[in-house]
Amino acid sequence: ILNVEQSPQSLHVQEGDSTNFTCSFPSSNFYALHWYRWETAKSPEALFVMTLNGDEKKKGRISATLNTKEGYSYLYIKGSQPEDSATYLCAFRYSSASKIIFGSGTRLSIRP
Amino acid sequence: EADIYQTPRYLVIGTGKKITLECSQTMGHDKMYWYQQDPGMELHLIHYSYGVNSTEKGDLSSESTVSRIRTEHFPLTLESARPSHTSQYLCASSELGQGNSPLHFGNGTRLTVT
Repeated sequence: ILNVEQSPQSLHVQEGDSTNFTCSFPSSNFYALHWYRWETAKSPEALFVMTLNGDEKKKGRISATLNTKEGYSYLYIKGSQPEDSATYLCAFRYSSASKIIFGSGTRLSIRP
Repeated sequence: EADIYQTPRYLVIGTGKKITLECSQTMGHDKMYWYQQDPGMELHLIHYSYGVNSTEKGDLSSESTVSRIRTEHFPLTLESARPSHTSQYLCASSELGQGNSPLHFGNGTRLTVT
């Protein structure tokens, strides 16, 4: 059974603070790691697709790193804003033909 | 703007009724998926399709069925709804042959069976 673990399950952060959370996945076989942002009443939106060990991706104040050898990815948000409040999902793929396996997400709330 | 549409957004229905959840996409994607999510839990894949007339069951056993007669349309049907079917259902699509392509999701259907 392949598990994707995300921690913490929920997080409350003061506006303006930076934060990060973790996605852990099996390191034995790796093809791709996805990050999605899911805002309330909206559909999940892709943030990053990462494929190479050591990959770093950035989109505005959000960035992500990938370590395929030890099986984890970090998502960082710099200077949190209220619009960053959402559930952040990571998803793992172990081969080009495999299905995408989701974690249960990290629910982020930004306090104004 | 949404390129993948799900209807209805919310549905409350009695036990034993037949229901169809609609999903359409305008991106020409060959791959389409149905995920089920209970509150606080992971998205679980229940059905997927790699093209017209191709459908497969996902990892989570489901009493629902799907069809793929047209590329853009991937409806999900429950012949006889039960309270255990109460959940959120998300449809998604992605490009075939692009293993690194992300999923594009619809807004979801929140189903309540009373």
